[in-house]
Amino acid sequence: NAGVTQTPKFQVLKTGQSMTLQCAQDMNHEYMSWYRQDPGMGLRLIHYSVGAGITDQGEVPNGYNVSRSTTEDFPLRLLSAAPSQTSVYFCASSYGEGNEAFFGQGTRLTVV
Amino acid sequence: AQSVTQPDIHITVSEGASLELRCNYSYGATPYLFWYVQSPGQGLQLLLKYFSGDTLVQGIKGFEAEFKRSQSSFNLRKPSVHWSDAAEYFCAVVFSYSGGGADGLTFGKGTHLIIQP
Repeated sequence: NAGVTQTPKFQVLKTGQSMTLQCAQDMNHEYMSWYRQDPGMGLRLIHYSVGAGITDQGEVPNGYNVSRSTTEDFPLRLLSAAPSQTSVYFCASSYGEGNEAFFGQGTRLTVV
Repeated sequence: AQSVTQPDIHITVSEGASLELRCNYSYGATPYLFWYVQSPGQGLQLLLKYFSGDTLVQGIKGFEAEFKRSQSSFNLRKPSVHWSDAAEYFCAVVFSYSGGGADGLTFGKGTHLIIQP
């Protein structure tokens, strides 16, 4: 049972480059979210989805895009990377609000 | 405004000693309450949760938490810590069905637990 799988685990980007962080879950969860974790800030919500074809913005959405074409996948796109986007990114899935959220192992992104 | 506060950024405890990590929230009703643990380089794992009923909740790894409505608190406790408990601990809250994203979680900033031998 893989749970929530994030790729890559580590990535270094140059300022202005674009990339996609992948997130896949095999638990048939409708709800998926992306968070970023910065020292002393806890986890902050970037974007979320309550089902295929439905996405919405969280607390810190600027500079990121998402789409949800299938139940399993929820990729996060950085359109033009900035040093301020250096962070650890976590994808999570759940059966719905108030239910246990399952987290991936994280992607550590450095923008230079 | 709705918020979650973990007042202790770092806590150092001797191995075998008891532990209490504090969590307070600001909200006009009773939210759903969670404690997650993050080991170094890992994702987050659910320790326990409170929705309703008995205000003392048992979780995994010997942890428990007590919900106190009058104090808007949900403190995490363990009677005797082990070196493997060294980690980052996050209190998280679901305030309502209309906010907080897909899983509704609003996180505190975390408490870093250090275990002394």
